[in-house]
Amino acid sequence: GQQLNQSPQSMFIQEGEDVSMNCTSSSIFNTWLWYKQDPGEGPVLLIALYKAGELTSNGRLTAQFGITRKDSFLNISASIPSDVGIYFCAGESSGTYKYIFGTGTRLKVLA
Amino acid sequence: DAGITQSPRHKVTETGTPVTLRCHQTENHRYMYWYRQDPGHGLRLIHYSYGVKDTDKGEVSDGYSVSRSKTEDFLLTLESATSSQTSVYFCAISDGRTSGTGGANVLTFGAGSRLTVL
Repeated sequence: GQQLNQSPQSMFIQEGEDVSMNCTSSSIFNTWLWYKQDPGEGPVLLIALYKAGELTSNGRLTAQFGITRKDSFLNISASIPSDVGIYFCAGESSGTYKYIFGTGTRLKVLA
Repeated sequence: DAGITQSPRHKVTETGTPVTLRCHQTENHRYMYWYRQDPGHGLRLIHYSYGVKDTDKGEVSDGYSVSRSKTEDFLLTLESATSSQTSVYFCAISDGRTSGTGGANVLTFGAGSRLTVL
């Protein structure tokens, strides 16, 4: 079946540093979503991407829909302690309405 | 919150017993999903629904059944729970819009149901 490879699996960074993570797929996707999950809660949507090459920002977060439609990237600038959590990518193939999720990137910010 | 309620939030049960988890939405969204979350596996799709009485399997559907008799409710049933089904279960909803902008066709998640099968 379809697989999403998300990397890195975990990151320890200093407060103020920039963070980059990415997802690659074996299949072409028409939509990419990025989520953040805090402990004990459900994932919360950060950014949605709909077109190849699209670059979208949400505050300090920027995500891009890869040109090949098989990858996506999320960048966090000037990290702060509340950025701690697990970040997930998710992709949907055209017309399926089924989203496949990556295994997550666990981010820890050291003050 | 987007109007998704999962119940129960926590449940401990014994192997072999039936379990039903409920997802209730007030958004009138067409699509509803059940995912399970386990360490190292992220979120894996169990079943989803694209309308009343219309459901389809996801990638880890064995041992689970679902029903959707009303737009607002999506039930996940474990007919005979096993220890491998110990997990956190998340319900999600989507409007299924295809406009390609403005938050169309995104998943909104409930708070999760933690199930422990002893």
